[in-house]
Amino acid sequence: SQQGEEDPQALSIQEGENATMNCSYKTSINNLQWYRQNSGRGLVHLILIRSNEREKHSGRLRVTLDTSKKSSSLLITASRAADTASYFCALYQTGANNLFFGTGTRLTVIP
Amino acid sequence: DAGVTQSPTHLIKTRGQQVTLRCSPKSGHDTVSWYQQALGQGPQFIFQYYEEEERQRGNFPDRFSGHQFPNYSSELNVNALLLGDSALYLCASSWRAYEQYFGPGTRLTVT
Repeated sequence: SQQGEEDPQALSIQEGENATMNCSYKTSINNLQWYRQNSGRGLVHLILIRSNEREKHSGRLRVTLDTSKKSSSLLITASRAADTASYFCALYQTGANNLFFGTGTRLTVIP
Repeated sequence: DAGVTQSPTHLIKTRGQQVTLRCSPKSGHDTVSWYQQALGQGPQFIFQYYEEEERQRGNFPDRFSGHQFPNYSSELNVNALLLGDSALYLCASSWRAYEQYFGPGTRLTVT
């Protein structure tokens, strides 16, 4: 399969806690991207990590990539109610010119 | 700078009808990709347009067709609508397809 597979499918945490989502895949990738989607609307690009990178930070977001294990994780620190959304990993394969999305992790942050 | 825009926001059609969805890319972007997102699923790649030609296509039937205009805007056409075509249709624009920016989507309901 060319898609990523997120784990867990759903996650519920208290405001202020950290949230960790994982993405596993089976193919070789050029880069891996994480997106957020609120209430079934458009996707917001969060972060892109290239295959030769191991970790990347953006604000409260931290993404890691382990190409030997074909897995990535997204950590959201000090979560807020506004972080409630679905989070998707998307694989960008060399030569594919498009993204392959997983089924997402539904995050609920309880105030 | 306007982001990716899509029209209409919502659409209700009857089985067998035809529909046209529209997308204007982010300023400076030359590539437009279309995705279909069924309820509870991740987006699935339909096709991508670059330089007014279909550059790549996902696993969708010929009922799905598209067009890109000289100003880089794009249309997605779906003929002979089926109930299973009900979904959120997302347009994404990019410069050379690398990092894609998504529009808010068009919610299509087929009855």
